Amino acid sequence: NAGVMQNPRHLVRRRGQEARLRCSPMKGHSHVYWYRQLPEEGLKFMVYLQKENIIDESGMPKERFSAEFPKEGPSILRIQQVVRGDSAAYFCASSPARGFGNEQFFGPGTRLTVL
Amino acid sequence: KNEVEQSPQNLTAQEGEFITINCSYSVGISALHWLQQHPGGGIVSLFMLSSGKKKHGRLIATINIQEKHSSLHITASHPRDSAVYICAVRPNTGNQFYFGTGTSLTVIP
Repeated sequence: NAGVMQNPRHLVRRRGQEARLRCSPMKGHSHVYWYRQLPEEGLKFMVYLQKENIIDESGMPKERFSAEFPKEGPSILRIQQVVRGDSAAYFCASSPARGFGNEQFFGPGTRLTVL
Repeated sequence: KNEVEQSPQNLTAQEGEFITINCSYSVGISALHWLQQHPGGGIVSLFMLSSGKKKHGRLIATINIQEKHSSLHITASHPRDSAVYICAVRPNTGNQFYFGTGTSLTVIP
């Protein structure tokens, strides 16, 4: 049973380009969370999704960032017109359900560098 | 003010020492997690707990819900324990976790 998979592991973009980060949850998990870890800072919640639904995007920047979790395929975190401040590690986690007692399993992260 | 505070921020220990990392939080929670992150690496969940104490190998995690405090203990520490240890809490309401800024542990041989 493979764990949470993220790709790419490292992504380099120039300012103004788009970044697409992918997360495949563990088998049987229908809940996905995205977190951002800025250099020298702690993890911050970005968005929580279930299949085809955004449940909570209160941690997402209002502009340039979007997330989806389609019926088929991985969850995608999309950053348009990247800026240097977007350079960070982006982690996704999955769980089988939201309720108490459901542990989140983290992926290895995607390290985004904006030149 | 952060919802989750960890101490110490940095910790250096000699191999074999007993280590304690503390976590205090300010919100009502349904669960608390201890996570481990190696430099440049991913995040591994060590414990999820809501009461009492859990043990896994040389790691022990305790939580006191009334005092809103948790501790992570490492017995007989080893250089391979060197990592950042992160406390995360799941509030009673809402969907997100709140994370501490982490404790960077270095165990010297």
